[in-house]
Amino acid sequence: DQQVKQNSPSLSVQEGRISILNCDYTNSMFDYFLWYKKYPAEGPTFLISISSIKDKNEDGRFTVFLNKSAKHLSLHIVPSQPGDSAVYFCAASVRGDNDMRFGAGTRLTVKP
Amino acid sequence: DVKVTQSSRYLVKRTGEKVFLECVQDMDHENMFWYRQDPGLGLRLIYFSYDVKMKEKGDIPEGYSVSREKKERFSLILESASTNQTSMYLCASSQPTGGGSGVYGYTFGSGTRLTVV
Repeated sequence: DQQVKQNSPSLSVQEGRISILNCDYTNSMFDYFLWYKKYPAEGPTFLISISSIKDKNEDGRFTVFLNKSAKHLSLHIVPSQPGDSAVYFCAASVRGDNDMRFGAGTRLTVKP
Repeated sequence: DVKVTQSSRYLVKRTGEKVFLECVQDMDHENMFWYRQDPGLGLRLIYFSYDVKMKEKGDIPEGYSVSREKKERFSLILESASTNQTSMYLCASSQPTGGGSGVYGYTFGSGTRLTVV
């Protein structure tokens, strides 16, 4: 049973437009959420995170929004660039448990 | 630059073979993890370890075991490889991040693509 779900396997956007990647979770004990980015033949790399005490965290072009009542988070990338083309994984953990659960990933393609 | 190194990028093994996947980190991290990545399923946790000689089962430990004799090395063992263990295997390590937040940032290796024939 997947506790973290990314229901869109792929997303294609035009360069300069906004990319919105979505993630849902079922475990109400999760209180820390992360997004990882993965290029082919490389391991995932940490992108941005948010704790459950916040509803928004911003880092440059990347913003993560958290809606705890809906158990939903999203990653916004604006403006999208071709170099953002990668697989994005949503992850969640219960602080202190130290074993993170990942979603299935969304492949983002940004077209020039 | 911090690193998690997986010994093989590509591996082909026969059904029934005993397979060892090695992972070494140079960051003095206490925590190490093994995940497998499969299309449509994402990253699934196999085993993790909080300390030397300690191990904990993740979500899909069946058919696998692990060994952590030294802090920097975490090995994944397929006791008798089967074709359904064909996958990308990712090792990661972590240490609590700063600020007392208790947040654990992971550093991943580049992965080992294992094919069992």
